[in-house]
Amino acid sequence: AQSVTQPDIHITVSEGASLELRCNYSYGATPYLFWYVQSPGQGLQLLLKYFSGDTLVQGIKGFEAEFKRSQSSFNLRKPSVHWSDAAEYFCAVGGFGNEKLTFGTGTRLTIIP
Amino acid sequence: NAGVMQNPRHLVRRRGQEARLRCSPMKGHSHVYWYRQLPEEGLKFMVYLQKENIIDESGMPKERFSAEFPKEGPSILRIQQVVRGDSAAYFCASSQDSYEQYFGPGTRLTVT
Repeated sequence: AQSVTQPDIHITVSEGASLELRCNYSYGATPYLFWYVQSPGQGLQLLLKYFSGDTLVQGIKGFEAEFKRSQSSFNLRKPSVHWSDAAEYFCAVGGFGNEKLTFGTGTRLTIIP
Repeated sequence: NAGVMQNPRHLVRRRGQEARLRCSPMKGHSHVYWYRQLPEEGLKFMVYLQKENIIDESGMPKERFSAEFPKEGPSILRIQQVVRGDSAAYFCASSQDSYEQYFGPGTRLTVT
């Protein structure tokens, strides 16, 4: 069975500081990996995705993520956060022929001045 | 190009009533997915549909819940005889090729 673990429920960082959100997955075949962001009361916006190829993927809003097969990880990073990045971040896994996405429980990001 | 549309955005029902949630996929998308988000939790898959067909309903509760995606019109998620535990945000997503899913704003169902 596929699963996603986001070990950090809540992270607080200072504006301008770097950010890394952790994601570990379990999937029996080649995974398709996604990061979504959700602002309060809103839907989910796709930040970036990994299907194949280069293991470092670039997304919107200055985010990037690195796929590490040996560690079953797909961590999200940003070199310098902005106050507008405060939101809930979800990692998800899917795959070819298994179209449903399995989500982690999310990491809530708080930005302090 | 309009995104995924869901209505209503907020729905209040009394216990025992029926709830109908609608989802219009993005133009050109023929795959629709429904997910449920309980308070303080991630999204859980419910059902995956293509036009007139249910492809995967492994996440749907066995009773009271049903979904359809007719040839014409939006996809409908129907919950009969709602209970308090059905209170959640219900999200619809659509895709063109079943890989990259685009999400709607959600319908927040409150059962009183």
